[in-house]
Parts: sequence; C-alpha cells; structure tokens
Amino acid sequence: DQQVKQNSPSLSVQEGRISILNCDYTNSMFDYFLWYKKYPAEGPTFLISISSIKDKNEDGRFTVFLNKSAKHLSLHIVPSQPGDSAVYFCAASARGGANNLFFGTGTRLTVIP
Amino acid sequence: DAGVTQSPTHLIKTRGQQVTLRCSPKSGHDTVSWYQQALGQGPQFIFQYYEEEERQRGNFPDRFSGHQFPNYSSELNVNALLLGDSALYLCASSLVDRGVAEAFFGQGTRLTVV
Repeated sequence: DQQVKQNSPSLSVQEGRISILNCDYTNSMFDYFLWYKKYPAEGPTFLISISSIKDKNEDGRFTVFLNKSAKHLSLHIVPSQPGDSAVYFCAASARGGANNLFFGTGTRLTVIP
Repeated sequence: DAGVTQSPTHLIKTRGQQVTLRCSPKSGHDTVSWYQQALGQGPQFIFQYYEEEERQRGNFPDRFSGHQFPNYSSELNVNALLLGDSALYLCASSLVDRGVAEAFFGQGTRLTVV
C-alpha cells in the first residue's frame, strides 16, 4: 500500500523555467513532509521540508506548497538549472517528524540547457 | 566531518546466503535507520536503532535483523537471501530528539542476489 505517491516518473524542463514536482499522500496521520534529491551512486540529500501547520515554505529557489485538504504537496524550483537534474523523492512522516519516513517512488527531473 | 558512511558499496551474494551491511553514522548522531530501495521504487523503512535497541520496525520479515554498537554504528543482517532482496540498502542517521528533520543518508550498499 503506497501511502505516498508521485505519479509522474519523469519531467523535462528548459533551463530558467519553473519545475513543478507533485506528490500525493493518503495517510491523514502524516504531519511532516520532506523533499529529497538523489544523484546516481549517492544517497538522498535533504532539500526542503514543511510542517502541516504551514502551507508554504521557501528556501532560495525551492518552495514547497502543502494542501492538507487535498492531501497534496508540490515542489517548485525557480529558475531551474542543469545541476538540478536528479531524482526527487517526496517523503512523509507522522508525529511531527518523530517517526520513520514514507517515500514516494520518485520523479526524475531533467533540466535541458 | 565525515557524513554517514556505509560499507561495502557493492556486493554480490548467492540465494540462501547471509549478508551483513555496515553503517557509521554522522558524527554526533545517536540514531540509525535502515531503508531498502528496490529498483524503480522509493526507499522503504526496515527498522531504526537507538541506544542499541530496535526502536521501530517496518513491514519486513524476521530474516532482516540489526544491531547497534556502543559507538552508534550499526549493522544490517539479512539471512536466507532471496532474489527479491536485491536492492540498494540505505542507512540514515539522526539525533533522537530531532527525528527525521535532520536525517542524513549514506550513499548506500548495492546488494545483488543471484
């Protein structure tokens, strides 16, 4: 039972444009959400997170939006750069992040120069 | 400051064998979690160790066991290997009072069962 879903396996975007990666979850107990970036032969690297008490969190070029009623979150990258090309994983946790992570299946982002 | 280190990076085992994977947490971290990432999937939580005890466990059979040492390093053991155990095994370390918010992942061990 996949509790965190990323329905787009891949996304291609021109350099300088916006990348929007989407994620849906089913477990209403999730209250802390994270995005990780993963390059080949490396472990996932933390990118940005958001607590369920917020609906937006911004860090430089990266913004995460949370829609609790729709159980949906998205990651916006503006402007996209070739170095952003990687697999992006959405992850969720319960109890304010005290519990283990549930991951989506990932979206491969390719930023075209 | 070395981050999370895992060894070995790759290994090949035969079905039915046993394997041990190792993880050294980031300096200062006291909690180690293990995840399995099958091809084309996201990482799945196996278990977490804190104070040398298993603190949480995901939906994995008893063939998967672990250990944490006094220096916080950890081992993942898998017995009676199946072809389906072929995956990337990731170790993540954190501080118990920070939860997943500041978890750092190692580069993983790629296990192939033939």
